[in-house]
Amino acid sequence: AQKVTQAQTEISVVEKEDVTLDCVYETRDTTYYLFWYKQPPSGELVFLIRRNSFDEQNEISGRYSWNFQKSTSSFNFTITASQVVDSAVYFCALSEAFKAAGNKLTFGGGTRVLVKP
Amino acid sequence: DTAVSQTPKYLVTQMGNDKSIKCEQNLGHDTMYWYKQDSKKFLKIMFSYNNKELIINETVPNRFSPKSPDKAHLNLHINSLELGDSAVYFCASSTTGVGEAFFGQGTRLTVV
Repeated sequence: AQKVTQAQTEISVVEKEDVTLDCVYETRDTTYYLFWYKQPPSGELVFLIRRNSFDEQNEISGRYSWNFQKSTSSFNFTITASQVVDSAVYFCALSEAFKAAGNKLTFGGGTRVLVKP
Repeated sequence: DTAVSQTPKYLVTQMGNDKSIKCEQNLGHDTMYWYKQDSKKFLKIMFSYNNKELIINETVPNRFSPKSPDKAHLNLHINSLELGDSAVYFCASSTTGVGEAFFGQGTRLTVV
């Protein structure tokens, strides 16, 4: 069975500080996808990033960066120079790859990020 | 244009009632889902449909019945509502085999 663990339930920072969110996953699949979603106070779920299990290249996109390490089953997410608008709950998720139909996302419990001005 | 839209956004109803939530996507995706988010923010899949065919049913009570009239629509009907059904229900869609899902804005269901 797949499992995603986000050990940090809440992180509070002051604006302009960096924030790193931890995500550890379990799966028996050799090929899978990892995701980060953001849920702001307004409640919608916003897709941020997808990573394939065979692509361990880390990436930076604006103030966001990702660190995927297959050896430790971790997919961490960093917000650089945080802003008040980054305040949200962030979810890490996992799905099997290349299924004919019916991919399902297994979510972690979420990490609430509070950025104070 | 809204990619995945669901209505209503809020739903307050009494125990024992029957209610429906509608979902439509204009992304051209062939797979649609219902997820439930409980009061602790935990998200779990309920159903998945691919081209109008039920693919995933994650041990959801029979009182919940999804219906997909076409691949752009997936509705959720709930019979005999119970207090424990209070949650936020999210509709989502994706392309088959990719796994990246786009979510609607959610429907907050409150059973009193």
